[in-house]
Amino acid sequence: DSGVTQTPKHLITATGQRVTLRCSPRSGDLSVYWYQQSLDQGLQFLIQYYNGEERAKGNILERFSAQQFPDLHSELNLSSLELGDSALYFCASSPHGGPYEQYFGPGTRLTVT
Amino acid sequence: GQQLNQSPQSMFIQEGEDVSMNCTSSSIFNTWLWYKQDPGEGPVLLIALYKAGELTSNGRLTAQFGITRKDSFLNISASIPSDVGIYFCAGPGGIQGAQKLVFGQGTRLTINP
Repeated sequence: DSGVTQTPKHLITATGQRVTLRCSPRSGDLSVYWYQQSLDQGLQFLIQYYNGEERAKGNILERFSAQQFPDLHSELNLSSLELGDSALYFCASSPHGGPYEQYFGPGTRLTVT
Repeated sequence: GQQLNQSPQSMFIQEGEDVSMNCTSSSIFNTWLWYKQDPGEGPVLLIALYKAGELTSNGRLTAQFGITRKDSFLNISASIPSDVGIYFCAGPGGIQGAQKLVFGQGTRLTINP
C-alpha cells in the first residue's frame, strides 16, 4: 500500500458526460501528479500540482482540468467524454516539487460507452 | 520530447532464472527510477538511482545507473512467480520538463512455472 488513495476504483459513463476522479496523497506529500494509461500504453503525464498550485503540464486535453485543494487532495475533471478517454487514470504523490520518487495510487478505471 | 527505450519489450522465462532488462535515453538523466506494475494496479517504486555508476539492491532486484548517464539496468535474480508484471524505467523530463517523469514503454515479464 503506497498510502495514496483514489476513488472511485471503477467508473462507467457515456460519451459526452463529465466525471470527477479524486486522489488523496500520502500524508505529508505536497505534490500530486495525474497520469493516463491506455490499453497497452505507457504512462502519459497529464498534470502536476504542488501545494495547491499548478506546477507542470503534460499532454492534458483542454476538456480535462484538475485542481488541488487546501487539504492537498486533488481532483481530475474530465468533460465531454469520448470513447478514446477510456483508460486507467493514476494519481501519484511525492514529498516535494521535483519529479523524483513518485508513489502511485491504485488507479481509477474509466470506461466510456 | 525525451523518450526512454526499454528492452526487451517482453520476456518469457522459467522460474528460477535470472532476468536482465535495460533502459536507454538519447539525453542525460540525473535520476533513474524503476517501477513494477501488476495488471490493473498502480506502479510500485522498486529502486531509485541518483548517481552515475550507482548500484543499488532491493532484495533480489539490483539496478545500476549507467556511467554515461544515458542508461540504466535492472536485474532480477532467481525469479519467482510474483515477479510477473510490467517493469517501467522512468526519469525526470529534462531541462524544460524537469517537473515531470518520463516513462519507458515497459518490459513485460512472464514466468513459466
